[in-house]
Amino acid sequence: EPEVTQTPSHQVTQMGQEVILRCVPISNHLYFYWYRQILGQKVEFLVSFYNNEISEKSEIFDDQFSVERPDGSNFTLKIRSTKLEDSAMYFCASSELTSADTQYFGPGTRLTVL
Amino acid sequence: AQSVTQLGSHVSVSEGALVLLRCNYSSSVPPYLFWYVQYPNQGLQLLLKYTSAATLVKGINGFEAEFKKSETSFHLTKPSAHMSDAAEYFCAVSDQGYSNTGKLIFGQGTTLQVKP
Repeated sequence: EPEVTQTPSHQVTQMGQEVILRCVPISNHLYFYWYRQILGQKVEFLVSFYNNEISEKSEIFDDQFSVERPDGSNFTLKIRSTKLEDSAMYFCASSELTSADTQYFGPGTRLTVL
Repeated sequence: AQSVTQLGSHVSVSEGALVLLRCNYSSSVPPYLFWYVQYPNQGLQLLLKYTSAATLVKGINGFEAEFKKSETSFHLTKPSAHMSDAAEYFCAVSDQGYSNTGKLIFGQGTTLQVKP
């Protein structure tokens, strides 16, 4: 069964460093998302991406964040200068044809900012 | 604005007992409603979703949920708990509006413990 994959599973970085989290969505999916979950808190929407552009972003997704689909398979989330409060589990998701379709989630990347 | 409230961060049941996980939503437009399950070290997996067809929705692993507009609820149930049901469960909402971008709003999650 097709699945969303994410790499790395765990990323440790120093405050102020740039990180890139990578996701490979399911191959025929058109909608892509990033969510995050700070330890002990709820899963929060960051951004949705369709047709090579951001369709919606949350207040969390400020200028330090960017997303890109550099090729036909990868979907990346970049944090330009990490802060301690960026430490969280980051989930990538994709859905097939419309934004109402089921979103399939990856296993997540745990980001630890020291 | 939409929101989701899950009553009870931890629920403990005995194996074979009824599972009831509560979810209430707030939405100014007709909602789509979802239940996701997360097993340790895994991503979120869809259990079931409500998309304005039948109000009683059946999902995987014997779970079902009923959409009750008058109560703004979408509680998840399973008649008989199994040890393998132990996991974290998330209720989520998105809107059916024309401008829907697929954004999911999640509740806080409920950890289900199943005792032998």
